[in-house]
Amino acid sequence: GAVVSQHPSWVICKSGTSVKIECRSLDFQATTMFWYRQFPKQSLMLMATSNEGSKATYEQGVEKDKFLINHASLTLSTLTVTSAHPEDSSFYICSALQGPLSNQPQHFGDGTRLSIL
Amino acid sequence: EDQVTQSPEALRLQEGESSSLNCSYTVSGLRGLFWYRQDPGKGPEFLFTLYSAGEEKEKERLKATLTKKESFLHITAPKPEDSATYLCAVQARGGYQKVTFGIGTKLQVIP
Repeated sequence: GAVVSQHPSWVICKSGTSVKIECRSLDFQATTMFWYRQFPKQSLMLMATSNEGSKATYEQGVEKDKFLINHASLTLSTLTVTSAHPEDSSFYICSALQGPLSNQPQHFGDGTRLSIL
Repeated sequence: EDQVTQSPEALRLQEGESSSLNCSYTVSGLRGLFWYRQDPGKGPEFLFTLYSAGEEKEKERLKATLTKKESFLHITAPKPEDSATYLCAVQARGGYQKVTFGIGTKLQVIP
């Protein structure tokens, strides 16, 4: 149980392109999903918290107009990197919170490797 | 601000050589401490949640323990398939679901 699917797993695109990443909870409903960014040899950095049916909460320093998050259903959240540039190249990972209690573990997707040329 | 420090950064063990990974944390009231395993190019895989000092959890060759300042992940008689990066994360009380991750310990188990 608690399977989170992330798609695509890998994308290469030209500078200026917008890229959409999907995160789905396959066997449970997720009121809350999270988006992280991970650089080599660094910890997961939370970008934003996504709640179904409401606006995402962005961490300090994360441009909300750059990283658009939509959580339109209890099983799907999307992250769109708009007008991507080489500095946006990174490993993006989503997670979903299983259960109504806030101290439950997050379950992660397998990440999306984004490379901007 | 919540902080998580993991040590060592990297650990190399012979197969069967038991050891422990450390996670020291500073948090304004601990709601939960989480251990994850991450393989290269993959997302973290959930292992354990610990909620209060003195609590212990076990799964196969892994055992996690918790004190008021740190957590240990004990690995007994590791196998090469235990090679991965082990991440520790803490969640503070206060009604918010955000967790803070450490950098992780990269474990390599040599046959």
